[in-house]
Amino acid sequence: EAGVVQSPRYKIIEKKQPVAFWCNPISGHNTLYWYLQNLGQGPELLIRYENEEAVDDSQLPKDRFSAERLKGVDSTLKIQPAELGDSAVYLCASSLGLYSGASNEQFFGPGTRLTVL
Amino acid sequence: QKEVEQDPGPLSVPEGAIVSLNCTYSNSAFQYFMWYRQYSRKGPELLMYTYSSGNKEDGRFTAQVDKSSKYISLFIRDSQPSDSATYLCAMSHPNNNAGNMLTFGGGTRLMVKP
Repeated sequence: EAGVVQSPRYKIIEKKQPVAFWCNPISGHNTLYWYLQNLGQGPELLIRYENEEAVDDSQLPKDRFSAERLKGVDSTLKIQPAELGDSAVYLCASSLGLYSGASNEQFFGPGTRLTVL
Repeated sequence: QKEVEQDPGPLSVPEGAIVSLNCTYSNSAFQYFMWYRQYSRKGPELLMYTYSSGNKEDGRFTAQVDKSSKYISLFIRDSQPSDSATYLCAMSHPNNNAGNMLTFGGGTRLMVKP
């Protein structure tokens, strides 16, 4: 079974440029998460989707970040314009969903490493 | 102060050693406790999952939760070079509508030398 797929794996851009990340979750997983991971830190949640609905985006900097999950499957995360401080790894994860049981294990993709110059 | 604290390491041990990794936390509402392993340039993968207090064993790995002390541990027996990775603790509580929203520690980098 394929895991969570993310692309691109690496992205280098200049500041003020736009950038987009794509995530394809595990088939059948209703919940999708986008995390930000700075070097030497644990992942921090940016946004969570239950199917196509964004149910927690309180940590998403809405002035420059946006996300969508069309048809409740794939998702894209966009930054426009990018700033130097956005350099980090952007992780996507998916899980079966709220009512799948107590564990509701999150499966992570390999991440997109963004460098803003 | 962060909700979940974890010594960043690096922790360097010889092959075969017993490794102890720890996290402390401040939110007494946390009920679910997890350990993730993250290899370089990979996403985290779930190693151990524990609900509430107690111990859980899986092969060479043992997870312990002491809710009275707000302290969790992961022990690795007979450590192998392939165990070299960053270990992240994560926690969640059921007191919201978000299922398992995870709060991660900063991770401890482990190096097991042959």
